Amino acid sequence: KQEVTQIPAALSVPEGENLVLNCSFTDSAIYNLQWFRQDPGKGLTSLLLIQSSQREQTSGRLNASLDKSSGRSTLYIAASQPGDSATYLCAVKANQAGTALIFGKGTTLSVSS
Amino acid sequence: ETGVTQSPTHLIKTRGQQVTLRCSSQSGHNTVSWYQQALGQGPQFIFQYYREEENGRGNFPPRFSGLQFPNYSSELNVNALELDDSALYLCASRDGGQQFFGPGTRLTVL
Repeated sequence: KQEVTQIPAALSVPEGENLVLNCSFTDSAIYNLQWFRQDPGKGLTSLLLIQSSQREQTSGRLNASLDKSSGRSTLYIAASQPGDSATYLCAVKANQAGTALIFGKGTTLSVSS
Repeated sequence: ETGVTQSPTHLIKTRGQQVTLRCSSQSGHNTVSWYQQALGQGPQFIFQYYREEENGRGNFPPRFSGLQFPNYSSELNVNALELDDSALYLCASRDGGQQFFGPGTRLTVL
């Protein structure tokens, strides 16, 4: 059974810092991995999607890497801003036919000005 | 803005009642999935519909049921509500590999 773990559960940093969020999964047979952002009480906003054949994806100040063999992904946020404060969730899609995403519990990020 | 909308935004029900939540997907997205997110947890997969047929289900009892309509809208129905059903309910539509989520419906069961 696929399990997704995110460490740390919470993180507080001053504005301007670069930071890394970690995601690990137990079954390396994934189809893709997706990082989401969730503001309190709101829905999920997709940040980056990495296909299983890819090693990384970049969007602006965000960079996500994927190491399928070790069951790990990282989300790197450069030059953090207070507006980056949110919960970040990673999710894996286990196979191509099914579309169920298996989520971690998320990392809650707080960026202070 | 994902183009996925959900209604209502908030809902309060009492134990034992029935509830229907609604979702409108982006045009052309034939697959819709529903997730339950309890406080402090990641979303849990409930079920998925593809072209109006259920084709995937998570570990949820039969009192959770759904429908998908030809106009890309869908419903999640929950019968015999229990206190533990209190959660944020999210629907997501799929375009290729990427899932687009709606803003969610916050259900409180008293």
